[in-house]
Amino acid sequence: SYELTQPPSVSVSPGQTARITCSGDALPKQYAYWYQQKPGQAPVLVIYKDSERPSGIPERFSGSSSGTTVTLTISGVQAEDEADYYCQSADSSGTVVFGGGTKLTVL
Amino acid sequence: EVQLVQSGAEVKKPGESLKISCKGSGYSFTSYWIGWVRQMPGKGLEWMGIIYPGDSDTRYSPSFQGQVTISADKSISTAYLQWSSLKASDTAMYYCARGFYSSSLGYYFDYWGQGTLVTVSS
Repeated sequence: SYELTQPPSVSVSPGQTARITCSGDALPKQYAYWYQQKPGQAPVLVIYKDSERPSGIPERFSGSSSGTTVTLTISGVQAEDEADYYCQSADSSGTVVFGGGTKLTVL
Repeated sequence: EVQLVQSGAEVKKPGESLKISCKGSGYSFTSYWIGWVRQMPGKGLEWMGIIYPGDSDTRYSPSFQGQVTISADKSISTAYLQWSSLKASDTAMYYCARGFYSSSLGYYFDYWGQGTLVTVSS
């Protein structure tokens, strides 16, 4: 079955830039989406269509795509950004797939 | 304001049946998909399936096909996820989410319910 691969954890200091990657063979042909999930809360969409930001999401969140890898970048990380982040895309048949998630720790 | 409100937490015994709900408001319920996502304790998100309430078109993840049933009642803007015989391994948080689909974008989920915790224990 199709998989999206994310690093289990990323750590950054406040004010630095965090980059979370997501790799998958179908990503050159399928858009990627990113969700933020804080403890005890439902996920929130933070990036759609590889690099678009929904209204209400801070400008420090951005997305990019290159080949089989998409990247969520958080510039000027704040303590409130500490959360789990999941990428989501689809395989060739349209089946939705989530990455395993990345825990972002703000040191 | 778009809202998805899910039914409350459930505690069940193995072998029992269960149907949980997700009520949409603040948008045209029949114009968007509703997806269901499982999150087992301490684990990641798993897509279970999706339904288009406008015509009840339903698609399942291969991992959940035959294990659950997704349905919707558009007259009351409510989607459902049900089990006929629960197992201890069904213990998890279950989220519904409003889904957007196009052939160019695929599926994604822009609004989520608050989650329903299902505990299955003897």
